[in-house]
Amino acid sequence: QQQVKQSPQSLIVQKGGIPIINCAYENTAFDYFPWYQQFPGKGPALLIAIRPDVSEKKEGRFTISFNKSAKQFSLHIMDSQPGDSATYFCAASIMVAGRRALTFGSGTRLQVQP
Amino acid sequence: DADVTQTPRNRITKTGKRIMLECSQTKGHDRMYWYRQDPGLGLQLIYYSFDVKDINKGEISDGYSVSRQAQAKFSLSLESAIPNQTALYFCAASGEYNEQFFGPGTRLTVL
Repeated sequence: QQQVKQSPQSLIVQKGGIPIINCAYENTAFDYFPWYQQFPGKGPALLIAIRPDVSEKKEGRFTISFNKSAKQFSLHIMDSQPGDSATYFCAASIMVAGRRALTFGSGTRLQVQP
Repeated sequence: DADVTQTPRNRITKTGKRIMLECSQTKGHDRMYWYRQDPGLGLQLIYYSFDVKDINKGEISDGYSVSRQAQAKFSLSLESAIPNQTALYFCAASGEYNEQFFGPGTRLTVL
């Protein structure tokens, strides 16, 4: 119930393409869905996040689409650039026993070719 | 972003040795976390702390212990390191919705 399933495991696109990374969850009590970006040798960094009361959120070239009924959310990167090559993690946050817990997906390694 | 720092950045040790990884944060966050990252397995939570007197086990706490010496400091210990603890270790501090801010990581190799 606490799992977040992320796909694909890896993704290669050409510069300018629109990579899409998908995540699915089971527990409808999740109420905050962040995405993290991790470059090699660095810690993950918060990229963008969405709450389930909206269906889409955009920040620059990054967009989260959220489908509450399907319990799925996805990250789209518009006009992708080689500098976007990184590992992306989705996550979901839930209140458990009065405390907030965060569950991460397994990660997607994105390579944007020049 | 140096809000969360970790030391050491790299460590090679031998089986059976005691190892301590240090973490400090400068933003005054109450919540701090230790994660382990293995290829293809994402991030696994080892321990977390909601304040100095509140420490909790995560998904994979066996073989690890922690100490929250102050609000800003949270250390992770491996009492007797074993090779399958070879991994990348991340410390994080968080705000209200668990929007976590990660340190740069410690690469630990246990021979």
